[in-house]
Amino acid sequence: DGGITQSPKYLFRKEGQNVTLSCEQNLNHDAMYWYRQDPGQGLRLIYYSQIVNDFQKGDIAEGYSVSREKKESFPLTVTSAQKNPTAFYLCASRGVLIAGGLETQYFGPGTRLLVL
Amino acid sequence: AQKVTQAQTEISVVEKEDVTLDCVYETRDTTYYLFWYKQPPSGELVFLIRRNSFDEQNEISGRYSWNFQKSTSSFNFTITASQVVDSAVYFCALSPRYGGSQGNLIFGKGTKLSVKP
Repeated sequence: DGGITQSPKYLFRKEGQNVTLSCEQNLNHDAMYWYRQDPGQGLRLIYYSQIVNDFQKGDIAEGYSVSREKKESFPLTVTSAQKNPTAFYLCASRGVLIAGGLETQYFGPGTRLLVL
Repeated sequence: AQKVTQAQTEISVVEKEDVTLDCVYETRDTTYYLFWYKQPPSGELVFLIRRNSFDEQNEISGRYSWNFQKSTSSFNFTITASQVVDSAVYFCALSPRYGGSQGNLIFGKGTKLSVKP
């Protein structure tokens, strides 16, 4: 099955700890994205990558880091510098699902990060 | 600046009622894309529709229809004969077609729709 997977589904972070959220896609899409969603809010862009080995900061990049070493993978690290990390994190990739289709962002199931 | 406004925070209807979700956007781009996504309680965003700025033809897909009016910068979404399974948060989004942020989505804050039996 083609799609986007995120793991873990729930993640707990202790004070001062860095944690990494996984995002993998097998859709052969070049572009990938990380969003943060707070309760009752829309999605805000953290980082995005249009192509392998390149990524750009989004609107709220402070306290986060990413890498894009492989086309299929775009992990997000929430560092200890992020003082309010509790949120729902969504990963997306952009492309087409079938030849000739419209280019669109498709989302993974999300990771819920909680601070202990 | 680009912005998407969904003025309706929450809407509650009874099953079989029709409901319209409003979306107003701001952009200086002449070409752009507009989207609607559905977020059920499970959390994953489900793509519903993409509309190009140069195509103002309304779209109907089953019980769903979309009304794009460039003159009023609106892209409203109507569900006809609503069902309990339509209960979700619905997001409208805007994306530039060109430039460094090509393909990036600017989201509204969403409208929570509750359909009661």
